[in-house]
Order: sequence, then C-alpha cells, then structure tokens
Amino acid sequence: DTAVSQTPKYLVTQMGNDKSIKCEQNLGHDTMYWYKQDSKKFLKIMFSYNNKELIINETVPNRFSPKSPDKAHLNLHINSLELGDSAVYFCASSQTGTSGFNEQFFGPGTRLTVL
Amino acid sequence: SQELEQSPQSLIVQEGKNLTINCTSSKTLYGLYWYKQKYGEGLIFLMMLQKGGEEKSHEKITAKLDEKKQQSSLHITASQPSHAGIYLCGADLSGNTGKLIFGQGTTLQVKP
Repeated sequence: DTAVSQTPKYLVTQMGNDKSIKCEQNLGHDTMYWYKQDSKKFLKIMFSYNNKELIINETVPNRFSPKSPDKAHLNLHINSLELGDSAVYFCASSQTGTSGFNEQFFGPGTRLTVL
Repeated sequence: SQELEQSPQSLIVQEGKNLTINCTSSKTLYGLYWYKQKYGEGLIFLMMLQKGGEEKSHEKITAKLDEKKQQSSLHITASQPSHAGIYLCGADLSGNTGKLIFGQGTTLQVKP
C-alpha cells in the first residue's frame, strides 16, 4: 500500500556518470515534486509537475532533467554527476483542490552518493 | 537568512515533559505544514494550517497559526520517545503556488 515510492533507495556512483531516480504515486494526485535534502537536512524544492506539465523549476543546473510520462510518475535524470550532487532526493505528490494546493505526501527518499 | 526560521534547532527533553517548536516568517504564510522526519526516512505529514488563528490537534501534538499568519507553533504534551525525530515546517510564501519553502528543522530527542 505504498503511497509514494522511489527507486532506488540508495545510489552510489562515480563522478561524471549519468543516473536516474524513479518516483511513482498511487494516490491519484495531479501534482508531483522533487526535493533535495543536503547534509545539513535543509530541504529545498527543485521541480514540480502538474498534470505532466512543469510548473515549478527552481534554480537547478540543467544537468538535472525531470520527466513525467504520466500523472503517476515523475522521474529525475542527472547527467555528469558531481560531488555536490550527493544528497537525499525526495519525491512528493499532492492534489490540487478548490482552495488550491493541499498537503504533500513524501516518498522515502533516495540517498545519492557521488564518489 | 532563511525565509522560514525554526527554533530551537535542537531540543533534548525528558520523557513526559511538554515542548514547543516555533516557525517564523517575515512573509504571509499562505499554507503552513508540519512534518516529522525520522532518520533515514521520508517526511510524515502531521498537520496543515491555513487560516489565521487556526489550531489543530492530533493525539498529543497541537499546532497553531497566529492571526497575522506569520508564525506557527507546534506543541507536544507529555513527550514520549516515539516523538523523537526532526520536525520541519514548510510554507507556501508565494500565494498558493504549491511551492513549499522549508525551515531548517528542529531535532528532538526524548530521554526515557
């Protein structure tokens, strides 16, 4: 009964490689997000998609490219990984309502380590 | 400086004690969300506040949003070891856009 799931949970890779993280939600939500949590536990939004359309695109290097094949999936592809990309990446989803955006439900996170 | 400031940054309390965590912004909080994170896990949604003066409770946790909608507090009554974790406040400062800005978190330890 996982609501928001991410794969993989852990990812260890070499600098310069390209990697992807996948996210799926079975809540029927129309909006999905990617967040990055750094080593100091500071959580910052990266992207948001509403009905497969990009609506939030923070100041993120263009090495990061999100892709939403459908409302239930939002994947994150990272090219040419750098040491500073090491962090925990969280996917989240929410449903827009009559009063706007509602609470976001988070996945378990993907801990990325770049060596 | 942070757009959303949490205090304290860390807290150690004896089991059974009450505690309060604060979340403050210089901007209007269009939506204020409290989450809890355990080490190595995702964020668990606790409560959402939208109206000035609103107060919500769940079990032993109460959250309030002030009338000006610039400060929220999270109060835990009779703390237990299960309350330990990182508490994060998140807020929409841009006017209901879905873009949440988070505070730096408050790490809570509860000593048995």
